[in-house]
Amino acid sequence: GAVVSQHPSRVICKSGTSVKIECRSLDFQATTMFWYRQFPKQSLMLMATSNEGSKATYEQGVEKDKFLINHASLTLSTLTVTSAHPEDSSFYICSAKASGGNEQFFGPGTRLTVL
Amino acid sequence: AQSVTQLGSHVSVSEGALVLLRCNYSSSVPPYLFWYVQYPNQGLQLLLKYTTGATLVKGINGFEAEFKKSETSFHLTKPSAHMSDAAEYFCAVSEDTSGTYKYIFGTGTRLKVLA
Repeated sequence: GAVVSQHPSRVICKSGTSVKIECRSLDFQATTMFWYRQFPKQSLMLMATSNEGSKATYEQGVEKDKFLINHASLTLSTLTVTSAHPEDSSFYICSAKASGGNEQFFGPGTRLTVL
Repeated sequence: AQSVTQLGSHVSVSEGALVLLRCNYSSSVPPYLFWYVQYPNQGLQLLLKYTTGATLVKGINGFEAEFKKSETSFHLTKPSAHMSDAAEYFCAVSEDTSGTYKYIFGTGTRLKVLA
């Protein structure tokens, strides 16, 4: 149980384009989803927290207009990197938490490369 | 505010030797504590967690950790290292902030196992 998937696993795009990453909870309802980014050889940094049906809460320093998060259903959240630039290249990981739970379940990550 | 400190960004042990990865935390309330393992280009896999109850927690792959409140520590151990244990390990602390349970991750420890 408690499986979280991400799609795509890898994406390469040109600078200036937008990229959408999907995060799905496959066998539970995720009332809260989290988006992290991880630079090479570094730890995970929380970007934003989203609750189903509400606007996402962004961490300090994260541009909400650049990283658009939508959590329209209890099993799906999307992260759209708008007008991507090479400095946005990173490993993006989502996690999901069920209502009443205290544990996050992590997706396998998406490697974004912006040329 | 919560924080997590992992002492030693790199740890090397011989195959069959004891593994000890250190984690200290700060939290204003009783914390939830987690250890995750990450293999290259993959997401996080939960090794073990402490929420309440027994302070010695056993996890997968022979790992265990002990919550020591007086030392604010949650060190990860394994009696005998295996080559397959070579990976990045992250300690995380979580608090109940309005039911969200945001995680704060440590900077990670890369474990190398020598033949």
